Amino acid sequence: QSALTQPPSVSGSPGQSVTISCSGSSNDVGRYNRVSWYQKTPGTAPKLIIHDVSNRPSGVPDRFSGSKSGNTASLTISGLQAEDEGDYYCNSYTSTYTYVFGTGTKVTVL
Amino acid sequence: QVQLVQSGAEVKKPGASVKVSCKTSGYTFTTYHIHWVRQAPGQGLEWMGIIKSDGVTTLYAQEFQGRVTMTRDTSTSTVYMTLSSLSSDDTAVYYCVREREITFYFDYWGQGTLVTVSS
Repeated sequence: QSALTQPPSVSGSPGQSVTISCSGSSNDVGRYNRVSWYQKTPGTAPKLIIHDVSNRPSGVPDRFSGSKSGNTASLTISGLQAEDEGDYYCNSYTSTYTYVFGTGTKVTVL
Repeated sequence: QVQLVQSGAEVKKPGASVKVSCKTSGYTFTTYHIHWVRQAPGQGLEWMGIIKSDGVTTLYAQEFQGRVTMTRDTSTSTVYMTLSSLSSDDTAVYYCVREREITFYFDYWGQGTLVTVSS
């Protein structure tokens, strides 16, 4: 199972919006609405920020939103804040009952 | 409160095996799956496998099949991950991760265990 494809990096100024894509196939992202997103900062464990494509867990700011079209899922951070800097990973359930992560995207707040 | 507390850092020689533990608390152990995820230095997250809530069913990523074993001890609510035939490519931080049955996402993570493979 190959990793899902994400852009290596995205950046934006405070207050701007950035979108991270997560490209998979008809065997994972395209088949199931079981896409989740995780935020990781150095030295800490990843944190769940979106599940089931577009659902935010309690406590996650509503500036984080998710969507999906075909084999590609997306995470949008609206109103970018300095604390949003970090690495972001998508994850999907697959047709072989396994899970696969994306390659990861570094978000930089300018 | 939910906690997943992992064992401490390990240093192993190439060809050896490592066993990492993940002691859970604060929830009903038998109703959650546990996954293992690793991150090598400068690399992304990599899903390794799952031991399901029944404690019997395991499923491993193809890359690790034949080298990884996931087990659990219900009496202590602890899950174990053993990785054998280690090489320098296995140097990574290993995380245990919780998934509530049939939710397909990871809601709580252990603090991570650094495994260093070096001669």
